[in-house]
Amino acid sequence: EPEVTQTPSHQVTQMGQEVILRCVPISNHLYFYWYRQILGQKVEFLVSFYNNEISEKSEIFDDQFSVERPDGSNFTLKIRSTKLEDSAMYFCASANREGNSPLHFGNGTRLTVT
Amino acid sequence: DQQVKQNSPSLSVQEGRISILNCDYTNSMFDYFLWYKKYPAEGPTFLISISSIKDKNEDGRFTVFLNKSAKHLSLHIVPSQPGDSAVYFCAARGTGANSKLTFGKGITLSVRP
Repeated sequence: EPEVTQTPSHQVTQMGQEVILRCVPISNHLYFYWYRQILGQKVEFLVSFYNNEISEKSEIFDDQFSVERPDGSNFTLKIRSTKLEDSAMYFCASANREGNSPLHFGNGTRLTVT
Repeated sequence: DQQVKQNSPSLSVQEGRISILNCDYTNSMFDYFLWYKKYPAEGPTFLISISSIKDKNEDGRFTVFLNKSAKHLSLHIVPSQPGDSAVYFCAARGTGANSKLTFGKGITLSVRP
């Protein structure tokens, strides 16, 4: 069964450094998402992406965050200058259409900012 | 701002019995509801969904019930198996400004052999 893949599985970075989290969505999917889960808290929406542009973003997704689909397969989340509170599991998800279609999630990247 | 609430943090049931996981929501614009299952160190896995035009959807051992007037949904697992032990998230979405998936905090289900 096709799946969403994320790399790396764990990223450790120092505060103030830039990180790029990578995702390969399911190949025929058109809608892409980033969510995050801080330890012990709920899964939170960050951003949705369709047709090479952001469809929606949350208040968490400030100017330090950006997303890109650099080619036909990858979908990346960049954090320009990481803060301690960015430490979380970051999940990429994709869906083949809007509306009543489930999102399929990757296994996440654990980001630790020291 | 808890638009999707899972008020019980955990549930423990005996193998073979029914597990009932509850979820409440506040946003009347939600029209599609999903349940996800999550094991440690993995991402959420889609389990079952229901749209607001239905009140029940069944898939094998899993059934989701939706009560729109009460803004309540539940996931029934019967019979429960030890492999069902995981965190279960309720999620909801609407259209337009409500189209993102909003998750509850999750319920940890333990199925005792």
